[in-house]
Amino acid sequence: EVQLVESGGGLVKPGGSLRLSCAASGFTFSNAWMSWVRQAPGKGLEWVGRVKSQADGGTTDFAAPVKGRFTISRDDSKKTLYLQMNSLKTEDTAVYYCTTEMGYCTTTSCYTYFDYWGQGTLVTVSS
Amino acid sequence: QSVLTQPPSVSAAPGQKVTISCSGSSSNIGNTYVSWYQQLPGTAPKLLIYENNRRPSRIPDRFSGSKSGTSATLGITGLQTGDEADYYCGTWDTSLSADVFGGGTKLTVL
Repeated sequence: EVQLVESGGGLVKPGGSLRLSCAASGFTFSNAWMSWVRQAPGKGLEWVGRVKSQADGGTTDFAAPVKGRFTISRDDSKKTLYLQMNSLKTEDTAVYYCTTEMGYCTTTSCYTYFDYWGQGTLVTVSS
Repeated sequence: QSVLTQPPSVSAAPGQKVTISCSGSSSNIGNTYVSWYQQLPGTAPKLLIYENNRRPSRIPDRFSGSKSGTSATLGITGLQTGDEADYYCGTWDTSLSADVFGGGTKLTVL
């Protein structure tokens, strides 16, 4: 059974930093592309970013609102995904979900979808 | 303002059929696959449909998907009260170089 368990959420002041973790089990983590998707209170889903498998280069992609402030990394030996969030803003307040991302990308587009989701961890940015 | 447009809400009676639309453009839906997600109240989203019309084996065949041009549709037949949830479409946008979602549609089973 696939399990994704996020941790590390909490209350942080604007301008602060926080690191989220996602512990994976039940599948071959090293082969998987992994993404973070967030949901602000009462709002819809918003993709945050992804990290590809090492076999596919281990590269990362980010949504415009977080580019330059957030980084994603993975430790395949620990089967764990990380989201490092710096220079946090109040608009980053959301539940952050860890997901597996299936599919592939070409030079012109991506053909991907989010297969399994964790239960989410709440990040609140407030003074 | 979401890149993909969904109706805010739809409703239907138990046992009936409902469809949820998702409208995009040539830089997203018209260019790649669409997926659909169900979010029951207080829970994480769950994949319902991928690659426009394919269902994971864990999803019942009451759920179906289709795509035409720059629009996609989720269909649910034999509605049950347990289907009350928010439904989201998702795809990749080549102009934004990002995964994008619709704003979500709240399904009420009357």
